[in-house]
Amino acid sequence: AQKITQTQPGMFVQEKEAVTLDCTYDTSDQSYGLFWYKQPSSGEMIFLIYQGSYDEQNATEGRYSLNFQKARKSANLVISASQLGDSAMYFCAAPYGGSQGNLIFGKGTKLSVKP
Amino acid sequence: DAGVTQSPTHLIKTRGQQVTLRCSPKSGHDTVSWYQQALGQGPQFIFQYYEEEERQRGNFPDRFSGHQFPNYSSELNVNALLLGDSALYLCASRVTGRKGGYTFGSGTRLTVV
Repeated sequence: AQKITQTQPGMFVQEKEAVTLDCTYDTSDQSYGLFWYKQPSSGEMIFLIYQGSYDEQNATEGRYSLNFQKARKSANLVISASQLGDSAMYFCAAPYGGSQGNLIFGKGTKLSVKP
Repeated sequence: DAGVTQSPTHLIKTRGQQVTLRCSPKSGHDTVSWYQQALGQGPQFIFQYYEEEERQRGNFPDRFSGHQFPNYSSELNVNALLLGDSALYLCASRVTGRKGGYTFGSGTRLTVV
């Protein structure tokens, strides 16, 4: 069965510095994708970045990048130049039952950016 | 371009009552999924609707039911509410067959007292 593990309940980072949020996954699918979402206190889940298992390069979207290590089954999110507005919950997720399946989420990491 | 719209934003119900939550998907999206997010947890998949039929279902009892209308909007119904049903209910939409993530709404915060 699919399982997503986020081992950091909370993280602190100084404004303008980089931070890495950990995510490991367990899947028997040959083809899969991994998503990161941001959830501010308003509740909305905001899509940040996606990595396909067969993508040759690590995904990047602005200040967000993925450190994808397939052999270790890890897909860590790197946020560069942290901003106060980055303070939020961050969830790693993967589709269940194939790339079109619904998402299984980790428990999330609460990131706090300090001025 | 409006994203996913959910109503109401907050709701308080009494144990044993029934509740209906509503969702309008993002324009152009035809698949709608519902998730339950308890406090301090990640979202849990409830079910998915496509072409007005339930296509996938998570590990939720029959008290949870849904509907999708011809305009792709959707409802989530919960009968015989329990205190444990208190949660944030998130609706997410996507275009079937297209790789990529779901677009989520801001959710409905349900409190059962």
